[in-house]
Amino acid sequence: AQKVTQAQTEISVVEKEDVTLDCVYETRDTTYYLFWYKQPPSGELVFLIRRNSFDEQNEISGRYSWNFQKSTSSFNFTITASQVVDSAVYFCALSELDAGNMLTFGGGTRLMVKP
Amino acid sequence: EAQVTQNPRYLITVTGKKLTVTCSQNMNHEYMSWYRQDPGLGLRQIYYSMNVEVTDKGDVPEGYKVSRKEKRNFPLILESPSPNQTSLYFCASSRQATNEKLFFGSGTQLSVL
Repeated sequence: AQKVTQAQTEISVVEKEDVTLDCVYETRDTTYYLFWYKQPPSGELVFLIRRNSFDEQNEISGRYSWNFQKSTSSFNFTITASQVVDSAVYFCALSELDAGNMLTFGGGTRLMVKP
Repeated sequence: EAQVTQNPRYLITVTGKKLTVTCSQNMNHEYMSWYRQDPGLGLRQIYYSMNVEVTDKGDVPEGYKVSRKEKRNFPLILESPSPNQTSLYFCASSRQATNEKLFFGSGTQLSVL
């Protein structure tokens, strides 16, 4: 069965620091999809990225970057030059090809960025 | 504006009193689902629907019911709520059930006393 582990439950950094959120997954499928969602203090879930298992290129979007490594089953998320507005809970999630659109979520990492 | 709308935002009830949380999407999405969020456990799927009149259980369906009579609506029903159903609930939708990104509602915080 699939599983997603976010070992860091809480991270605290000072503004402008770089921070990496770890995500490790388990699946028996060769085709799967990985996601990151952000949950700010207001509570809604904001989609950040979707990656399929055949695309191992790292991705950068502004201050955000993602490092997908199949060899270690990891899909880590880095925020460069963090800002207070980055304070949120971040969820990593996995969807297997035959699971329809069911996402298996990690437990989440709460990021606190202090001014 | 494309969105998933859940109501109510907050709900406090007592054990055994039936309740319904409504969910509606205006994006003509075929796929809809319900998740519950609990500390340290992330989100877990309760039920999902591939299309009208097609629903199926997710990982944690016990104590919940759903229906999909219209494409846009997917209510979550708790026939006899219990305190262990105190949680934050999210409705979500996507164009199809093919590993696409989910659009989430704003959440419903339910407390069962």
